[in-house]
Amino acid sequence: TQLLEQSPQFLSIQEGENLTVYCNSSSVFSSLQWYRQEPGEGPVLLVTVVTGGEVKKLKRLTFQFGDARKDSSLHITAAQPGDTGLYLCAGGRDDKIIFGKGTRLHILP
Amino acid sequence: DAGVTQSPTHLIKTRGQQVTLRCSPKSGHDTVSWYQQALGQGPQFIFQYYEEEERQRGNFPDRFSGHQFPNYSSELNVNALLLGDSALYLCASSFSLLPSGANVLTFGAGSRLTVL
Repeated sequence: TQLLEQSPQFLSIQEGENLTVYCNSSSVFSSLQWYRQEPGEGPVLLVTVVTGGEVKKLKRLTFQFGDARKDSSLHITAAQPGDTGLYLCAGGRDDKIIFGKGTRLHILP
Repeated sequence: DAGVTQSPTHLIKTRGQQVTLRCSPKSGHDTVSWYQQALGQGPQFIFQYYEEEERQRGNFPDRFSGHQFPNYSSELNVNALLLGDSALYLCASSFSLLPSGANVLTFGAGSRLTVL
């Protein structure tokens, strides 16, 4: 059973478009993190959200943690080819961090 | 400030063999977690080491074992390799004294294991 479900699995859009990817669970997490992973590298942390309803912005990226701390979304405005990569959400529970399967994003120039 | 370093970067083994992967955590970090990432999948938690002991374990068989040394570096050992063990093995370090909600992982680039 996958505790963290990410959707969509794959997304290919044109440069300049907006997009949203989702991370959902039936379980409550103490924190939720988003990572980006590029080929041949390990995941790199983008943001951590810890409070239900919290919204964080990182330039063109907006992250939201659901009120019940079970889900999160990542919205990218005016996507650029450099945004291409695997986006992973990860939930903190019992001093370990577990990951979803990821959304593979491809931005076409 | 060196980040997380892993070795080797790539290796090829045959079924039934044993493998040892190594990880040096980021300076200042004392906790090491190991993840297995199959092609096209997210990382799956194997186990976590703190104070030289296994503190948490995911759903992996006993063929997967580990060790943490006094300098916080760690090894992952896999015995009796199966074809399905082919994956990218990621090591991540963190600092134990942060609240669990604020704890974040710093990953190495991984060791890619191919089992033939």
